[in-house]
Amino acid sequence: NAGVTQTPKFQVLKTGQSMTLQCAQDMNHEYMSWYRQDPGMGLRLIHYSVGAGITDQGEVPNGYNVSRSTTEDFPLRLLSAAPSQTSVYFCASSYTRGGGVGTEAFFGQGTRLTVV
Amino acid sequence: DAKTTQPPSMDCAEGRAANLPCNHSTISGNEYVYWYRQIHSQGPQYIIHGLKNNETNEMASLIITEDRKSSTLILPHATLRDTAVYYCIVRPYSGGGADGLTFGKGTHLIIQP
Repeated sequence: NAGVTQTPKFQVLKTGQSMTLQCAQDMNHEYMSWYRQDPGMGLRLIHYSVGAGITDQGEVPNGYNVSRSTTEDFPLRLLSAAPSQTSVYFCASSYTRGGGVGTEAFFGQGTRLTVV
Repeated sequence: DAKTTQPPSMDCAEGRAANLPCNHSTISGNEYVYWYRQIHSQGPQYIIHGLKNNETNEMASLIITEDRKSSTLILPHATLRDTAVYYCIVRPYSGGGADGLTFGKGTHLIIQP
């Protein structure tokens, strides 16, 4: 298993440009999510999905869109990039055991985005 | 999710046990304690989680006080590779980890040679 794969690893955008950060997992996990991490800070939740076709907002959703058409993929779209979106973005996936008991989250290696 | 409090940084000598404390005095009965770590801006890595009993796996041990208001993560024989930021997270059991983990600033553990 490759686990959680994020592409690209690095990206530089100009203000106003749009782009999609890709996230794919090959573990058949139900749950997927996107976080951003600013320098010296913990991760903050942007959007998450509890299954194909179901998404919801996290703590900092403004400026980002998501969709979940398949179990494997959960892309994050920046609609009109702004310098404030310069950050490291992490994608994560997890599953539940019987009875809804949660398990650990598996994280990708991150996408380092700079908006100039 | 309940709020957690961790010291911002700690040092530990290589080969010694590293004991990382976490306070979670407002924890609810259905909330688990999870520990993750992040090595040098890599993606966070799951370490261990527990509800009320002490837990041990190949990476660490988790000691939860009887009143569940605090816990300690123990790395039994710390190595230089254990230098990382360690996050203590409290969350309900349902929904797994990817539907919303609340990360604080964590504890920066530095293992000294």
